[in-house]
Amino acid sequence: AQSVTQLDSQVPVFEEAPVELRCNYSSSVSVYLFWYVQYPNQGLQLLLKYLSGSTLVESINGFEAEFNKSQTSFHLRKPSVHISDTAEYFCAVSPGSSGGYQKVTFGIGTKLQVIP
Amino acid sequence: DVKVTQSSRYLVKRTGEKVFLECVQDMDHENMFWYRQDPGLGLRLIYFSYDVKMKEKGDIPEGYSVSREKKERFSLILESASTNQTSMYLCASSRTAITTQYFGPGTRLTVL
Repeated sequence: AQSVTQLDSQVPVFEEAPVELRCNYSSSVSVYLFWYVQYPNQGLQLLLKYLSGSTLVESINGFEAEFNKSQTSFHLRKPSVHISDTAEYFCAVSPGSSGGYQKVTFGIGTKLQVIP
Repeated sequence: DVKVTQSSRYLVKRTGEKVFLECVQDMDHENMFWYRQDPGLGLRLIYFSYDVKMKEKGDIPEGYSVSREKKERFSLILESASTNQTSMYLCASSRTAITTQYFGPGTRLTVL
């Protein structure tokens, strides 16, 4: 069985400061990893994902995450946050197989509060 | 632009009522999902469907049923609503098992 742990339920950070949102997973097989973002009063949307290849993945709005197999982590980072980054962020994992439906397990979410 | 729509943003029902939540996607996706989102619990999968008329139970199917008569539409049914089903319900779709899930805006259901 797979699981996802998001270690922080809320992260307050000042505008233009760096931020790291932590995510650890457990799985007995290879995995695909995702970060989704949920802005207030909206559904979730994909921020970035790791399927294979380079362990560092980036989003179009300056976020990046690194797949660390030895530490079973996929932490999300941004060097300088903006007010518009205020949202809830969900880490998710699924088994790394293309055959049939592979269940995606979501973490409980981390609320990022950017302070002006 | 890809789109998943849900029939209502807010819904208030009474205990014992039958409730229908509708979800429509315009991306010709094979897979569709229903989740509920609760504070401190994240997203939990209720049911999913990988084809028309096909459905599979998720982690918390009790008290819910689903219907998928057409590829673009996936309905969640609460046969007899209870107060512990007060929650945010999110619908999603994806093309394949490992591709991005696209979410609707959610329906906030309150059962009194």
